[in-house]
Amino acid sequence: QVQLVESGGGVVQPGRSLRLSCEASGFTFSNYGMHWVRQAPGKGLEWVALIWHDGGSKYYADSVKGRFTISRDNSKNMLYLQMNSLRAEDTAVYHCARDISSSWYDCWGQGTLVTVSS
Amino acid sequence: EIVMTQSPATLSVSPGERATLSCRASQSVSSNLAWYQQKPGQAPRLLIYAASTRATGIPARFSGSGSGTEFTLTISSLQSEDFAVYYCQQYKNWPPITFGQGTRLEIK
Repeated sequence: QVQLVESGGGVVQPGRSLRLSCEASGFTFSNYGMHWVRQAPGKGLEWVALIWHDGGSKYYADSVKGRFTISRDNSKNMLYLQMNSLRAEDTAVYHCARDISSSWYDCWGQGTLVTVSS
Repeated sequence: EIVMTQSPATLSVSPGERATLSCRASQSVSSNLAWYQQKPGQAPRLLIYAASTRATGIPARFSGSGSGTEFTLTISSLQSEDFAVYYCQQYKNWPPITFGQGTRLEIK
């Protein structure tokens, strides 16, 4: 079955870095655009970043542009989010999600919690 | 950026009754709108895409309507498992892809 499993979350001090991973299974990973979407505690959903199926294009929310980098390794069925210069407001559960033609999300991972705190 | 506004923030409905959730876009998104359901501690689940098409496996009691800037998610006869938070999302103009702030559907 189609599955996305995130990892790499944890507690990190402001200004430090963290890399999140998302392992995909049950589908041809290289055929799909992939996103990171985050959810601060008790809050709604916020889109973070998008990478095309072949990694050829990447897009970011203004709130993370210049600090976060999305990447993928289609040979390993893996999606990544490199997060630098972390801030308290980056504290959230980070979900990876599969998109259908850069539109809706038909599959989501359970998420990994990132807490930025001193 | 297209701003999505959902109303009400919280909706209290009795099991078996109908629930109507609204989503408004700050500019036209045509029919490029999806609805998701999220239960505590779980990932969001796709319910509706293209404003009115039910996703695979979604019960017929869920229906979506609207186009342009006004959209509605209707749950015809609420079951206990339907009490959750619901989000709308536009994918007409991006980046950024934007979500509404959510409507919490609670048991009356």
